[in-house]
Amino acid sequence: DIQMTQSPSTLSASVGDRVTITCRASQSINTWLAWYQQKPGKAPDLLIYKASSLESGVPSRFSGSGSGTEFTLTISSLQPDDFATYYCQQYDSYPSTFGQGIKLEIK
Amino acid sequence: QVQLVESGGGVVQPGTSLRLFCAASGFTFSRSPMHWVRQAPGKGLEWVAVISPDEKIKTYAGSVEGRFTISRDNPKNTLYLQMNSLTVEDTAVYYCAREGYSSGKAGAQDVWGKGTTVIISS
Repeated sequence: DIQMTQSPSTLSASVGDRVTITCRASQSINTWLAWYQQKPGKAPDLLIYKASSLESGVPSRFSGSGSGTEFTLTISSLQPDDFATYYCQQYDSYPSTFGQGIKLEIK
Repeated sequence: QVQLVESGGGVVQPGTSLRLFCAASGFTFSRSPMHWVRQAPGKGLEWVAVISPDEKIKTYAGSVEGRFTISRDNPKNTLYLQMNSLTVEDTAVYYCAREGYSSGKAGAQDVWGKGTTVIISS
């Protein structure tokens, strides 16, 4: 199975900060990577697919990049609504696998 | 609007079975691959299973292979997850999710239900 590793596990930031979250795959997944946002008690929401494509309705302050084994999710200017947990997911091959998640907290 | 509604969760004893349901509406269910994803209390997301629109392809996570069965009834717009030989490690919120339509999104899950809670306890 492909292992997905996210870093850091927790991130503290302030409103207006630029934030970058990293996701690494244990082997190349081309660009078959998605990013999800999850708030407490809610289902995940798709933010980014195919590493850098913005899902419809997602604010443009979110962007994704990377290919192969290294990927990043960037939030250009944090908003209060962005404090949540973020997961990456590879869908290059089954079983699909998620990273362990990064909790973005208010500093 | 596009909606997925899970049901069937509950509290059951180890070793028993449970069947989860996911009712779909607002999109062409019969064209969409569908997934189950779970989340144990306080833990991250774990992908569980996927089924193709025609039911010919079913793939499972290793942790549930041989115990869980994914199926669907396209005329009823319903997805199922039959869970047998349940253990405490299967305690989780179970989400059904639609796979994206476009070529780049195929494999990702773009619509999620609110989840149904399964608790395995003696």
